[in-house]
Amino acid sequence: QKEVEQNSGPLSVPEGAIASLNCTYSDRGSQSFFWYRQYSGKSPELIMSIYSNGDKEDGRFTAQLNKASQYVSLLIRDSQPSDSATYLCAVRREYGNKLVFGAGTILRVKS
Amino acid sequence: EAQVTQNPRYLITVTGKKLTVTCSQNMNHEYMSWYRQDPGLGLRQIYYSMNVEVTDKGDVPEGYKVSRKEKRNFPLILESPSPNQTSLYFCASSFGTGVGQETQYFGPGTRLLVL
Repeated sequence: QKEVEQNSGPLSVPEGAIASLNCTYSDRGSQSFFWYRQYSGKSPELIMSIYSNGDKEDGRFTAQLNKASQYVSLLIRDSQPSDSATYLCAVRREYGNKLVFGAGTILRVKS
Repeated sequence: EAQVTQNPRYLITVTGKKLTVTCSQNMNHEYMSWYRQDPGLGLRQIYYSMNVEVTDKGDVPEGYKVSRKEKRNFPLILESPSPNQTSLYFCASSFGTGVGQETQYFGPGTRLLVL
């Protein structure tokens, strides 16, 4: 079992729809969770961080965390073609200073 | 402009020929890290550094060395490259590892091919 798991996709959604990206992790003591976006041929960039159970909203993006289920998700409302990218889930382990990334989910937003 | 720079961006080399990939940041960040990205495996951490002269292994350190003699620089050294080190490499930095300090800023990447 991978430490951070994501569905590789691709996830295809029509323009204007809600895209839902999911991630599960195995280290129950993890406290810090991140979503990075990576456009093809580019480097990852942070779009959301979340530390507490519940929802965190930032513009069209909402991160959701459920530590009991070891599950973190990212919702993108009103999806745009410019949202087409690979979304990487990252989790900081409880001990040490290592950040573990999932393999990423490819999102395609069709106009 | 705040940034992380890496050089070279592209490199083709042969097995066993030592190489160094440089990484530099101008944000006065304490934490720096090297990752490799391979299809289906995502980003895997090679080494990280909490501050000058403080380095530690990540999840895939075999075949790599690093040093942190200055705060801004964190070079990645491949003493004897092998074909399985063909990959896309990213350097990243952040202020630290505490809450609110963890945002990693990535360099543009170095694509390495070892023949």
